[in-house]
Amino acid sequence: NAGVTQTPKFQVLKTGQSMTLQCAQDMNHNSMYWYRQDPGMGLRLIYYSASEGTTDKGEVPNGYNVSRLNKREFSLRLESAAPSQTSVYFCASSDTPPQHFGDGTRLSIL
Amino acid sequence: AQSVTQLDSQVPVFEEAPVELRCNYSSSVSVYLFWYVQYPNQGLQLLLKYLSGSTLVKGINGFEAEFNKSQTSFHLRKPSVHISDTAEYFCAVSEPGGGADGLTFGKGTHLIIQP
Repeated sequence: NAGVTQTPKFQVLKTGQSMTLQCAQDMNHNSMYWYRQDPGMGLRLIYYSASEGTTDKGEVPNGYNVSRLNKREFSLRLESAAPSQTSVYFCASSDTPPQHFGDGTRLSIL
Repeated sequence: AQSVTQLDSQVPVFEEAPVELRCNYSSSVSVYLFWYVQYPNQGLQLLLKYLSGSTLVKGINGFEAEFNKSQTSFHLRKPSVHISDTAEYFCAVSEPGGGADGLTFGKGTHLIIQP
């Protein structure tokens, strides 16, 4: 069972470059989420999608955009990467609690 | 708005000793509560959840937690830890019927098992 798959696993960008993080789930879940994890901060919600065709801002949406491409896929885009966006990004999905998490994308912005 | 406080950023424990990781939450409504574990360079794995019913919840790997509504706590316990339990532990909360709103996480507790 693949569950939640995130690509890429690692990425290094230069300041100002753009990047799309991909997430796909094979559990037929309606809801999908993007979080970022920073040392000593826990995970913070960036954006979520309650169902195909809808997206909503979370706690820390600035500098990011999202697309719910279909029921399986939810992408996160950095239009102009900044060093403050260096983080580990996690995608999750659920219908009823709990949420299921991918293995993360480790992103460094130089 | 919800918030979660994990009272200890690090907890060192000797192998085979008991451990308690503390979690307090604040919310104006009823809540769902979760503990997740993160091993180094991995994603988050669910340890246990409280949705309703019995306040004592048993999870994987011998962990359990007790929901205490009056103290707004959901502390995680294990009677005897192993080296393999070394990891980061996150407490999280969400609101029932709150649509697809995401989880609110605590800042994590690093459990360090000493031989």
